[in-house]
Amino acid sequence: EAQVTQNPRYLITVTGKKLTVTCSQNMNHEYMSWYRQDPGLGLRQIYYSMNVEVTDKGDVPEGYKVSRKEKRNFPLILESPSPNQTSLYFCASSLTRQNTEAFFGQGTRLTVV
Amino acid sequence: GQQVMQIPQYQHVQEGEDFTTYCNSSTTLSNIQWYKQRPGGHPVFLIQLVKSGEVKKQKRLTFQFGEAKKNSSLHITATQTTDVGTYFCAGPGAGGTSYGKLTFGQGTILTVHP
Repeated sequence: EAQVTQNPRYLITVTGKKLTVTCSQNMNHEYMSWYRQDPGLGLRQIYYSMNVEVTDKGDVPEGYKVSRKEKRNFPLILESPSPNQTSLYFCASSLTRQNTEAFFGQGTRLTVV
Repeated sequence: GQQVMQIPQYQHVQEGEDFTTYCNSSTTLSNIQWYKQRPGGHPVFLIQLVKSGEVKKQKRLTFQFGEAKKNSSLHITATQTTDVGTYFCAGPGAGGTSYGKLTFGQGTILTVHP
C-alpha cells in the first residue's frame, strides 16, 4: 500500500531535549516536505527536499533541521525544542517537485513543556 | 514572499445548503491544488487545476481556476455531513527563493448541521 509513515504519532518532551520525527515513503517520490499546522495559520512549510541530498528552507525553518540521505526517508530534527514548537507536524511526499499531488503522513502531535 | 489567502476561515451551514471557499494568491500560479482534512485526520488531495479559467467537477464539488491564475474557488452543492472538514488550497512557488516551496492557504473549516 502506498503510504507516508511518520513516527511517533504523539510526543511530549521537555525544552531543550533533542528529538527526531521520522518520515518514510514507499512510492519512490522525489519531493518530500515537512509542515506544521497551527490553529488559524493553516499548513506552513518548514523544509523541503527536491531529491537525495537536496534540501531547502520553507517558510518557517527556524529551530528545525532535516536530512535526506536516502530517497525514502526525510527525518525532522529539533536540536533544542522550545514550547513555541508545540504543534501538529505533517510529512508529505509527491512524485516530482511541489506541483503534483502530495501524499501526507498521519501527523505527529508534539508538545514541548 | 508568496502569500496564499483563503476565505472564509469558518463556515457553518445547514445540511443541503451550498458552500464556497475562495483562495487568492499574491503571485501568478502555475497550478493550484485543493486538499481536504477531516477532523483528526491528515490532508488528502482533491484536485489540481492547471489551465487559466479551468473548471473541474467532482460530483457535488466544483473547482475553478481564475483567468489570471491568481485565484481559485471550491463550491460544494447541497452539503452533506460527510463534507465536514477543513479545505485547503495550495500553490507552488514560481522561482527565485520560492522555487520548490508549496504554500497553503489558512484553510476554511466547514461544519454542517444536520
